[in-house]
Amino acid sequence: SQELEQSPQSLIVQEGKNLTINCTSSKTLYGLYWYKQKYGEGLIFLMMLQKGGEEKSHEKITAKLDEKKQQSSLHITASQPSHAGIYLCGADRYEGGSNYKLTFGKGTLLTVNP
Amino acid sequence: GAGVSQTPSNKVTEKGKYVELRCDPISGHTALYWYRQSLGQGPEFLIYFQGTGAADDSGLPNDRFFAVRPEGSVSTLKIQRTERGDSAVYLCASSLTRDYNEQFFGPGTRLTVL
Repeated sequence: SQELEQSPQSLIVQEGKNLTINCTSSKTLYGLYWYKQKYGEGLIFLMMLQKGGEEKSHEKITAKLDEKKQQSSLHITASQPSHAGIYLCGADRYEGGSNYKLTFGKGTLLTVNP
Repeated sequence: GAGVSQTPSNKVTEKGKYVELRCDPISGHTALYWYRQSLGQGPEFLIYFQGTGAADDSGLPNDRFFAVRPEGSVSTLKIQRTERGDSAVYLCASSLTRDYNEQFFGPGTRLTVL
């Protein structure tokens, strides 16, 4: 099975600080997805990356997939309390990036102190 | 509503009982997924429907678990003879088609087996 390791497991930052969350796979990632989850709520889709070296941004969040397609990072600039939650990376197993049967990491719990 | 809905939001049952968890996907989404999330873990795939048929049920842990989607819309996850180890959050997701990249998740049903 394709296992995803996320680091750190948890992170506490002061509002306004930048932070990075990493997601590493032992196998090539054909489709890498970032989701955010708040307690008691479902997962909110953030971004999807498919190509080596790809980078996408939405508001203050930037996600990158390395050239080897085995590691992705999620970077938040000038963090706000609204960024707090659990960040999950997920990957599908099939070449071509088909949306199917996501495998997730354990998540990174982000706390942003005002 | 426009999103994926799940009922009930919380379910407490006794060991050995039967439970049904319901998922209403986004209208028009042909692909539907069930995942299970234990505390401190990422979601784990259970079953995938394309239309009315279960295209992949390889994630169901044993034959006590069964899911249906008789009309290609609403899905019900059924668990017989519940065990304490079944306690988890059960998440449902839908996507426009199997190959559309974004899975939209519902808020989940928190199942507690006493």
